[in-house]
Parts: sequence; structure tokens; C-alpha cells
Amino acid sequence: KQEVTQIPAALSVPEGENLVLNCSFTDSAIYNLQWFRQDPGKGLTSLLLIQSSQREQTSGRLNASLDKSSGRSTLYIAASQPGDSATYLCAVSFRLTQGGSEKLVFGKGTKLTVNP
Amino acid sequence: DARVTQTPRHKVTEMGQEVTMRCQPILGHNTVFWYRQTMMQGLELLAYFRNRAPLDDSGMPKDRFSAEMPDATLATLKIQPSEPRDSAVYFCASGLVARYGYTFGSGTRLTVV
Repeated sequence: KQEVTQIPAALSVPEGENLVLNCSFTDSAIYNLQWFRQDPGKGLTSLLLIQSSQREQTSGRLNASLDKSSGRSTLYIAASQPGDSATYLCAVSFRLTQGGSEKLVFGKGTKLTVNP
Repeated sequence: DARVTQTPRHKVTEMGQEVTMRCQPILGHNTVFWYRQTMMQGLELLAYFRNRAPLDDSGMPKDRFSAEMPDATLATLKIQPSEPRDSAVYFCASGLVARYGYTFGSGTRLTVV
């Protein structure tokens, strides 16, 4: 069964701190891994997409890594700001054996609070 | 920016009533997912379409839920009859192929009283 786990479930840090969010998944047969941000009561905003053949992606203060063989990804946020406070979700596109289809599975997220 | 459009944004209905939620995927995208989000369960996959054909609806309660894509510009999720436990936010996402990731709509917040 394809599962995605995120730890920690919640994280509170002071402004300016660098931090790492973790995501693990159970099956290495994947198309890609996507990190999303969700603000309270809002939809999901895509932050970074890492293809299965890639090791990392960067966007501004965000850096996401992928180790497919160990089933792990990390999202690194540098110099955190209060505006980074949100829930961060990891989604893995698992490759299914039937007909080239896929299954997009989400972790339960990490709720980040950055204190001024 | 291209976006996935979901309607309605909010829906309050009485138990037993039919509810239809609509999703307009991004033009040219051939893959559509429906998810339900609750505090307890997080994001649960309900249905998955590629080129308008349903590929996986194993996460959907079949007795009351149905999902269709009558054409490439519209996906619908219907609940009949609705129950209080269906109260959740329902999200639609679209994408082109597996490699390029997915874009989510703003969701429909459903409350069944």
C-alpha cells in the first residue's frame, strides 16, 4: 500500500531560523514528489516539484531534496519568516503497474508556526 | 495564470439532499483528481480521471458518491443522499501527465446539517 508520512506534525520556530520538514514514502516506484503549502481555509499552492530522476529543486529560500531509494524527501526553509507560517504538505505520485496509471497520495502535513 | 476553478465555494445543505460540485480543469490538462479534506483524515483520494475515463474511484463511497467527466472542461462530484459525515472540503486537481505535477482548485466547503 502506498503511504506518505510527514514528521513532525507541528513545528514552532523563532523568526530567522533555518528548518527542515521531513516526508517519507513506502514505495520507490514514483513519478515525482510535490511539496504544497496550505494556509488556513485556503487551497493548496504548489511550492516545488521534484521528478523521480532528480535529487533536488530550489526556489528562493526553499530547497527540496529527494532520495528515492530510501523513500525520503526534505523541505529546507532558510531564514524563516512569520509569513512562512502555514501547513506544508508532501504529495507523492506513485507509479501503478496497471496501464501506466498513478496514485497521488498526500501526507497529513506539518503545521509550521514562525514566531516574530 | 491558468487555474482550476471549483464551484460552489461554499455549500450548506440539509441531510438527504443531493449535492453537486463542479470543477473546470486547466485547458489542455488530461488528468483530474478529486480529494476530500477533513481534520481527522487529511486529504483522501476519491476519484481519478485520465482523458475523461475513470481510472480509480476506489476511495469513493459508491452507494452515495459518483464522479463524472461529461466533457474535457468539466468534472463533477455528486453526493446523493448527503449525510453530516460528508461535511468536508472537496478539492479538484488537474495536470497534464504524471511528470509535471498538479494544480489544485480553491475547494468547495460542504456543510451537511
